[in-house]
Amino acid sequence: AQSVSQHNHHVILSEAASLELGCNYSYGGTVNLFWYVQYPGQHLQLLLKYFSGDPLVKGIKGFEAEFIKSKFSFNLRKPSVQWSDTAEYFCAVNALSYGKLTFGQGTILTVHP
Amino acid sequence: DTEVTQTPKHLVMGMTNKKSLKCEQHMGHRAMYWYKQKAKKPPELMFVYSYEKLSINESVPSRFSPECPNSSLLNLHLHALQPEDSALYLCASSLEGYEQYFGPGTRLTVT
Repeated sequence: AQSVSQHNHHVILSEAASLELGCNYSYGGTVNLFWYVQYPGQHLQLLLKYFSGDPLVKGIKGFEAEFIKSKFSFNLRKPSVQWSDTAEYFCAVNALSYGKLTFGQGTILTVHP
Repeated sequence: DTEVTQTPKHLVMGMTNKKSLKCEQHMGHRAMYWYKQKAKKPPELMFVYSYEKLSINESVPSRFSPECPNSSLLNLHLHALQPEDSALYLCASSLEGYEQYFGPGTRLTVT
């Protein structure tokens, strides 16, 4: 079975600080990787995705993520966070042989102005 | 249009009631999903429909009954629920293996 682990439950930053959220998964086969964001009171939105090719992917709102196959990791980064980035972030993995999406436990990001 | 719509937004039901949740998408996606999300937890997969056929049931109790009348619609029929079933129920759709688009959810309270 596949599993997804997010390293931090709650991250607190000040505006303009850099962000890195860790995500590791356990599955040896082919995977599609995603980061979703859930802003307070809003529905889950896709932040970025990786299927194949360049392991550094760029998403919306200045976010990017790097896929490191040897480490089974897909970490999310942003050079300078804003107050509006306050939200919960979920890493998700779709192991193609399972045909379903597995979410990590989520990381709550609080950005202070 | 990348929108998945869900109705109702909120639902309060007693343990003896029968109700249904509805989900609709017009993106031509042939995979549709139901998830349950408790507060401060990730979404948990309940059911997957692929080409209008149930392909995954994550051992969900029979008081939850999914239905896919056509490729754009997905229903979740609820009967004899328990208070612990209170949660946000999310619908999603996708091309198989690709990113899922989520609806806003139905906030269900079982009294």
